[in-house]
Amino acid sequence: DGGITQSPKYLFRKEGQNVTLSCEQNLNHDAMYWYRQDPGQGLRLIYYSQIVNDFQKGDIAEGYSVSREKKESFPLTVTSAQKNPTAFYLCASNPQSTDTQYFGPGTRLTVL
Amino acid sequence: RKEVEQDPGPFNVPEGATVAFNCTYSNSASQSFFWYRQDCRKEPKLLMSVYSSGNEDGRFTAQLNRASQYISLLIRDSKLSDSATYLCVVIPGMDSSYKLIFGSGTRLLVRP
Repeated sequence: DGGITQSPKYLFRKEGQNVTLSCEQNLNHDAMYWYRQDPGQGLRLIYYSQIVNDFQKGDIAEGYSVSREKKESFPLTVTSAQKNPTAFYLCASNPQSTDTQYFGPGTRLTVL
Repeated sequence: RKEVEQDPGPFNVPEGATVAFNCTYSNSASQSFFWYRQDCRKEPKLLMSVYSSGNEDGRFTAQLNRASQYISLLIRDSKLSDSATYLCVVIPGMDSSYKLIFGSGTRLLVRP
């Protein structure tokens, strides 16, 4: 099946620890994105990548890092520098031909 | 002023009712518009794109009013399964086609 997968679905982390969220797609999409959603709020862009080995900061990149070594994969690391990391993290992608983005099922991160 | 604003609701309607949501956007140069649906604790899913001429998909009709800078979503003959949060999404301009701006969503509850 084609699609976007994110793992894990739920993640718990202690304060001060880095954690990496996985995002994989087999849709052959060029662009990939990471968003964060907090309760009652819209999605906010963390990082995006339009081609392999290149990525750009979004609106709230502080405390996060990404890599794009392969077209299919765009992992997000939440570092200890992120002050309020508890949130729902969504990965998305779209092909070059359209601006419609498709989302993975999300990872819910809780910092204890 | 937020870039994309929606009434958070909830809109509580009986089955079979017609309900409409509006969404206003602040950037008059915005190019593309979408409605996404998000179920509780799930990822957003594309409901429909919004074209200048308006578009209809079954019970759902989307309209764009560029002069007043708002888009609307009309749902006819509401079903229980329509209960969800509806996210208004705007792409600000041609030079930022990657960047989706999300409203915080309008919650719809359809009761038996």
